Amino acid sequence: DTAVSQTPKYLVTQMGNDKSIKCEQNLGHDTMYWYKQDSKKFLKIMFSYNNKELIINETVPNRFSPKSPDKAHLNLHINSLELGDSAVYFCASSGRGYTIYFGEGSWLTVV
Amino acid sequence: QKEVEQNSGPLSVPEGAIASLNCTYSDRGSQSFFWYRQYSGKSPELIMSIYSNGDKEDGRFTAQLNKASQYVSLLIRDSQPSDSATYLCAVSGGTSYGKLTFGQGTILTVHP
Repeated sequence: DTAVSQTPKYLVTQMGNDKSIKCEQNLGHDTMYWYKQDSKKFLKIMFSYNNKELIINETVPNRFSPKSPDKAHLNLHINSLELGDSAVYFCASSGRGYTIYFGEGSWLTVV
Repeated sequence: QKEVEQNSGPLSVPEGAIASLNCTYSDRGSQSFFWYRQYSGKSPELIMSIYSNGDKEDGRFTAQLNKASQYVSLLIRDSQPSDSATYLCAVSGGTSYGKLTFGQGTILTVHP
């Protein structure tokens, strides 16, 4: 069983569209994250949720809206997609320690 | 100054050699330190964590932490071609409380 799973794995879409990426973890962790990895492989946190509550919101455009229906799920909705949004988006989770486990990533290409 | 800085490489070593990867961080309040390995097209995978000064060994991997110098390193002994990947240094605590702040990664190539 995949510990942190996210869908879709690949997403190609046109500028201006709205898209969502879903994430689920079966590790029983309380904290979930969205990280973005750009073309230079730099990995940067976007959001963090603890027990469905937003605790970290880095300087991310408000076109990006996370939603956590329960502590096992954290979805990412992106409005009005731009070329610069093309990246790999990783969902992740952590338990009591700071060991973070990543999902397989969602490759978003905006054309 | 970047919060977490690594030599981007690429670092190339022959099979069987020791690969040495270095990382410096700017926040003295950082408390936890991690090394992740990322193969091309894959997600980051945790290989080592270290929390106190000194060395921590796990198989062929040794992490070294020096908080006074704000320096953390990863040594890979008996390097194998399968070790070829990007190695990401990450810190948490201090201004990175509740999250990981990553360096830009070092590309390692182990050639036969």
